Amino acid sequence: EAGVAQSPRYKIIEKRQSVAFWCNPISGHATLYWYQQILGQGPKLLIQFQNNGVVDDSQLPKDRFSAERLKGVDSTLKIQPAKLEDSAVYLCASSLVGLAGALRETQYFGPGTRLLVL
Amino acid sequence: AQSVTQLDSHVSVSEGTPVLLRCNYSSSYSPSLFWYVQHPNKGLQLLLKYTSAATLVKGINGFEAEFKKSETSFHLTKPSAHMSDAAEYFCVVSGGYQKVTFGTGTKLQVIP
Repeated sequence: EAGVAQSPRYKIIEKRQSVAFWCNPISGHATLYWYQQILGQGPKLLIQFQNNGVVDDSQLPKDRFSAERLKGVDSTLKIQPAKLEDSAVYLCASSLVGLAGALRETQYFGPGTRLLVL
Repeated sequence: AQSVTQLDSHVSVSEGTPVLLRCNYSSSYSPSLFWYVQHPNKGLQLLLKYTSAATLVKGINGFEAEFKKSETSFHLTKPSAHMSDAAEYFCVVSGGYQKVTFGTGTKLQVIP
């Protein structure tokens, strides 16, 4: 079974530029998560999708971050404009079960995209 | 509100000795609890999870954890550390409204 795919793996940009990350979850997985992991910290949930609807985006900085999950499959996370403090690893994860069971389901993580903002 | 506290940022053990990584949680709901491991330059992988069934949960690679509601704890243990266990370990709580909260992580060092 193919795992969660993410691209690019690394990205270096200057502050105020824009950047986009792409995630392809495991086939058939209803729930998709984006996390931000700053060096030395645990992952912080940015947004959770259930199919193509948003379940939780309470920690997403909506003035600069946006995310979408077209057709309930692939997802993109965008930052515009980027700030120095956005330097982090952006992790995508997916889980199989839908809304009612998502709490108890194993999340499968991609390798992450390492972003450096200069 | 929901939170998870990993009491040690770094733990160092000798190979062949027991491992204990501590985790305390706070949740207004009956939580699900997870331990994930992150090896250097690799993705996060599930070690084990508690979802209101047996309180003693066995995971991969000889790890286990015990859910203690009275102590709001979910400590991770392994009887004998192996060099390949060196990694960062995250305790995760998932409670009401589908919120997922990661701890800050514990880096495990295994000394030969």
